[in-house]
Amino acid sequence: EVKLVESGGGLVQPGRSLKLSCAASGFNFNDYWMGWVRQAPGKGLEWIGEINKDGTTIKYNPSWKDKFTISRDNAQNTLYLQMSKLGSEDTAIYYCAREHYGCDYWGQGVMVTVSS
Amino acid sequence: DNVLPQSPTTMAASPGEKVTITCHASSSGIYMNWHQQKSGASPKLWIYDTSKLASGVPDRFSGSGSGTSYSLTINTMETEDAATYYCQQCCSTPPITFGSGTKLEIK
Repeated sequence: EVKLVESGGGLVQPGRSLKLSCAASGFNFNDYWMGWVRQAPGKGLEWIGEINKDGTTIKYNPSWKDKFTISRDNAQNTLYLQMSKLGSEDTAIYYCAREHYGCDYWGQGVMVTVSS
Repeated sequence: DNVLPQSPTTMAASPGEKVTITCHASSSGIYMNWHQQKSGASPKLWIYDTSKLASGVPDRFSGSGSGTSYSLTINTMETEDAATYYCQQCCSTPPITFGSGTKLEIK
Protein backbone atom coordinates (compact mmCIF):
# COMPACT_ATOMS: atom_id res chain seq x y z
CA GLU A 1 0.00 0.00 0.00
CA VAL A 2 1.34 3.40 -1.00
CA LYS A 3 1.70 5.63 2.03
CA LEU A 4 2.87 9.24 2.25
CA VAL A 5 3.12 10.85 5.67
CA GLU A 6 3.94 14.53 6.03
CA SER A 7 5.40 16.05 9.18
CA GLY A 8 7.02 19.23 10.44
CA GLY A 9 4.08 21.59 10.29
CA GLY A 10 2.74 23.84 13.01
CA LEU A 11 2.65 27.47 14.07
CA VAL A 12 5.48 29.64 12.78
CA GLN A 13 6.10 33.37 13.07
CA PRO A 14 6.08 35.61 9.99
CA GLY A 15 9.46 35.90 8.31
CA ARG A 16 10.72 32.58 9.66
CA SER A 17 11.56 29.39 7.79
CA LEU A 18 10.19 25.88 8.11
CA LYS A 19 11.11 22.49 6.67
CA LEU A 20 8.50 19.83 6.00
CA SER A 21 9.17 16.14 5.50
CA CYS A 22 7.25 13.43 3.70
CA ALA A 23 8.00 9.79 4.52
CA ALA A 24 7.15 7.41 1.70
CA SER A 25 6.48 3.69 1.88
CA GLY A 26 4.78 0.92 -0.06
CA PHE A 27 6.51 1.63 -3.36
CA ASN A 28 9.99 2.04 -4.76
CA PHE A 29 10.63 5.71 -3.92
CA ASN A 30 13.60 5.86 -6.31
CA ASP A 31 11.34 5.17 -9.30
CA TYR A 32 9.07 8.21 -9.00
CA TRP A 33 9.05 11.94 -9.34
CA MET A 34 7.59 13.52 -6.23
CA GLY A 35 5.86 16.84 -5.64
CA TRP A 36 4.29 19.26 -3.18
CA VAL A 37 0.85 20.86 -3.35
CA ARG A 38 -0.73 23.28 -0.93
CA GLN A 39 -4.26 24.34 -0.08
CA ALA A 40 -5.05 27.52 1.80
CA PRO A 41 -8.11 27.37 4.10
CA GLY A 42 -11.27 27.21 2.00
CA LYS A 43 -9.30 27.54 -1.25
CA GLY A 44 -8.23 25.32 -4.13
CA LEU A 45 -5.14 23.25 -4.81
CA GLU A 46 -1.88 24.95 -5.77
CA TRP A 47 1.04 23.02 -7.20
CA ILE A 48 4.32 24.07 -5.59
CA GLY A 49 6.88 22.01 -7.47
CA GLU A 50 8.37 18.62 -8.22
CA ILE A 51 11.64 16.74 -8.10
CA ASN A 52 12.84 13.96 -10.36
CA LYS A 53 13.84 10.47 -9.32
CA ASP A 54 17.45 11.19 -8.38
CA GLY A 55 16.99 14.77 -7.25
CA THR A 56 18.91 16.36 -10.10
CA THR A 57 15.96 18.14 -11.71
CA ILE A 58 13.59 20.35 -9.73
CA LYS A 59 10.79 22.43 -11.17
CA TYR A 60 8.77 25.08 -9.35
CA ASN A 61 5.54 26.90 -9.86
CA PRO A 62 6.67 30.24 -11.33
CA SER A 63 4.22 32.02 -9.01
CA TRP A 64 6.68 31.66 -6.12
CA LYS A 65 10.27 32.45 -6.87
CA ASP A 66 12.76 31.55 -4.15
CA LYS A 67 10.02 30.78 -1.61
CA PHE A 68 10.40 27.00 -1.72
CA THR A 69 13.21 24.47 -2.04
CA ILE A 70 12.39 20.84 -2.73
CA SER A 71 14.85 18.02 -2.04
CA ARG A 72 14.81 14.29 -1.42
CA ASP A 73 16.82 11.58 0.32
CA ASN A 74 16.31 8.30 -1.52
CA ALA A 75 18.21 6.36 1.15
CA GLN A 76 15.61 7.49 3.69
CA ASN A 77 12.62 7.41 1.29
CA THR A 78 11.90 10.99 2.30
CA LEU A 79 10.86 14.11 0.44
CA TYR A 80 11.47 17.60 1.84
CA LEU A 81 10.07 21.09 1.41
CA GLN A 82 12.07 24.01 2.75
CA MET A 83 10.00 27.17 3.04
CA SER A 84 11.51 30.60 3.66
CA LYS A 85 10.32 34.09 4.58
CA LEU A 86 6.89 32.82 5.50
CA GLY A 87 3.93 35.18 5.52
CA SER A 88 0.28 34.85 6.47
CA GLU A 89 -0.51 33.98 2.85
CA ASP A 90 1.50 30.78 3.28
CA THR A 91 -0.95 29.45 5.88
CA ALA A 92 -2.19 26.24 4.28
CA ILE A 93 -2.28 22.48 4.34
CA TYR A 94 0.79 21.15 2.55
CA TYR A 95 0.48 17.82 0.76
CA CYS A 96 3.19 15.68 -0.71
CA ALA A 97 2.21 13.66 -3.75
CA ARG A 98 3.67 10.93 -5.85
CA GLU A 99 3.75 12.00 -9.45
CA HIS A 100 3.09 9.88 -12.48
CA TYR A 101 1.65 11.98 -15.32
CA GLY A 102 0.21 14.10 -12.54
CA CYS A 103 -0.42 13.36 -8.88
CA ASP A 104 -1.50 9.77 -8.34
CA TYR A 105 -1.15 9.37 -4.57
CA TRP A 106 -1.48 12.01 -1.87
CA GLY A 107 -0.40 12.24 1.74
CA GLN A 108 -2.82 13.24 4.48
CA GLY A 109 -1.35 16.73 4.57
CA VAL A 110 0.25 18.85 7.28
CA MET A 111 -1.03 22.22 8.48
CA VAL A 112 1.26 25.23 8.52
CA THR A 113 -0.03 28.34 10.26
CA VAL A 114 1.92 31.57 9.93
CA SER A 115 1.03 33.97 12.69
CA SER A 116 2.65 36.06 15.37
CA ASP B 1 -2.07 32.79 -11.77
CA ASN B 2 -1.90 29.30 -13.22
CA VAL B 3 -5.42 27.98 -12.58
CA LEU B 4 -7.53 26.15 -15.13
CA PRO B 5 -11.10 27.41 -15.43
CA GLN B 6 -13.71 24.89 -14.28
CA SER B 7 -17.48 25.18 -14.50
CA PRO B 8 -19.67 25.32 -12.68
CA THR B 9 -18.00 26.59 -9.51
CA THR B 10 -20.72 25.05 -7.37
CA MET B 11 -23.76 22.98 -8.12
CA ALA B 12 -26.35 20.80 -6.43
CA ALA B 13 -27.76 17.64 -7.94
CA SER B 14 -30.54 15.28 -6.89
CA PRO B 15 -29.91 11.55 -6.50
CA GLY B 16 -30.18 9.89 -9.90
CA GLU B 17 -29.46 13.11 -11.79
CA LYS B 18 -26.75 13.33 -14.45
CA VAL B 19 -23.87 15.70 -13.62
CA THR B 20 -21.24 17.17 -15.93
CA ILE B 21 -18.27 19.28 -14.85
CA THR B 22 -16.04 20.92 -17.43
CA CYS B 23 -12.43 22.06 -17.41
CA HIS B 24 -10.51 24.16 -19.90
CA ALA B 25 -6.87 23.19 -20.35
CA SER B 26 -4.22 25.80 -21.10
CA SER B 27 -2.83 23.87 -24.05
CA SER B 28 -3.43 20.70 -26.03
CA GLY B 29 -1.39 17.52 -25.92
CA ILE B 30 -1.56 17.26 -22.14
CA TYR B 31 -2.65 14.58 -19.69
CA MET B 32 -5.86 15.47 -17.90
CA ASN B 33 -6.67 13.99 -14.52
CA TRP B 34 -9.47 14.57 -12.04
CA HIS B 35 -9.27 14.45 -8.25
CA GLN B 36 -12.05 14.11 -5.70
CA GLN B 37 -11.72 15.84 -2.35
CA LYS B 38 -14.20 15.40 0.46
CA SER B 39 -14.40 17.87 3.32
CA GLY B 40 -11.50 17.50 5.74
CA ALA B 41 -9.74 14.87 3.64
CA SER B 42 -6.87 14.88 1.19
CA PRO B 43 -7.59 14.68 -2.53
CA LYS B 44 -7.79 11.33 -4.29
CA LEU B 45 -6.98 10.62 -7.91
CA TRP B 46 -10.35 9.85 -9.49
CA ILE B 47 -9.89 9.84 -13.25
CA TYR B 48 -6.54 9.77 -15.07
CA ASP B 49 -5.43 10.21 -18.65
CA THR B 50 -8.75 11.84 -19.57
CA SER B 51 -11.01 8.82 -19.24
CA LYS B 52 -9.46 6.03 -17.13
CA LEU B 53 -11.07 5.42 -13.75
CA ALA B 54 -8.74 5.11 -10.77
CA SER B 55 -8.97 1.97 -8.68
CA GLY B 56 -12.23 1.72 -6.77
CA VAL B 57 -14.03 4.50 -8.63
CA PRO B 58 -17.63 3.53 -9.50
CA ASP B 59 -18.38 3.12 -13.17
CA ARG B 60 -21.14 5.75 -13.02
CA PHE B 61 -18.20 8.16 -13.38
CA SER B 62 -16.66 8.85 -16.75
CA GLY B 63 -14.19 11.30 -18.25
CA SER B 64 -13.86 12.63 -21.75
CA GLY B 65 -12.30 15.38 -23.74
CA SER B 66 -9.61 16.38 -26.15
CA GLY B 67 -7.63 19.42 -27.16
CA THR B 68 -8.31 21.97 -24.45
CA SER B 69 -11.82 20.93 -23.37
CA TYR B 70 -12.39 18.15 -20.83
CA SER B 71 -15.26 16.93 -18.70
CA LEU B 72 -16.14 14.64 -15.82
CA THR B 73 -19.60 13.10 -15.87
CA ILE B 74 -21.57 11.27 -13.22
CA ASN B 75 -24.26 9.24 -14.95
CA THR B 76 -26.52 8.98 -11.91
CA MET B 77 -25.66 11.12 -8.89
CA GLU B 78 -25.41 9.40 -5.52
CA THR B 79 -25.12 10.99 -2.08
CA GLU B 80 -21.55 9.73 -1.66
CA ASP B 81 -20.49 11.70 -4.75
CA ALA B 82 -20.90 15.02 -2.96
CA ALA B 83 -17.39 16.48 -2.92
CA THR B 84 -15.17 19.02 -4.62
CA TYR B 85 -13.68 17.92 -7.92
CA TYR B 86 -10.48 19.36 -9.35
CA CYS B 87 -9.14 18.86 -12.83
CA GLN B 88 -5.37 18.70 -13.15
CA GLN B 89 -3.31 18.90 -16.29
CA CYS B 90 0.11 17.42 -16.59
CA CYS B 91 3.12 17.69 -18.70
CA SER B 92 2.94 21.22 -20.07
CA THR B 93 4.40 24.44 -18.70
CA PRO B 94 4.27 24.55 -15.77
CA PRO B 95 4.35 20.75 -15.39
CA ILE B 96 1.21 20.57 -13.24
CA THR B 97 -1.74 22.93 -13.05
CA PHE B 98 -4.97 22.46 -11.13
CA GLY B 99 -8.43 23.62 -11.98
CA SER B 100 -10.34 26.08 -9.86
CA GLY B 101 -12.52 23.32 -8.42
CA THR B 102 -16.22 22.42 -8.58
CA LYS B 103 -18.12 21.89 -5.36
CA LEU B 104 -20.85 19.34 -5.94
CA GLU B 105 -23.58 19.08 -3.34
CA ILE B 106 -26.54 16.76 -2.99
CA LYS B 107 -29.94 18.36 -3.41
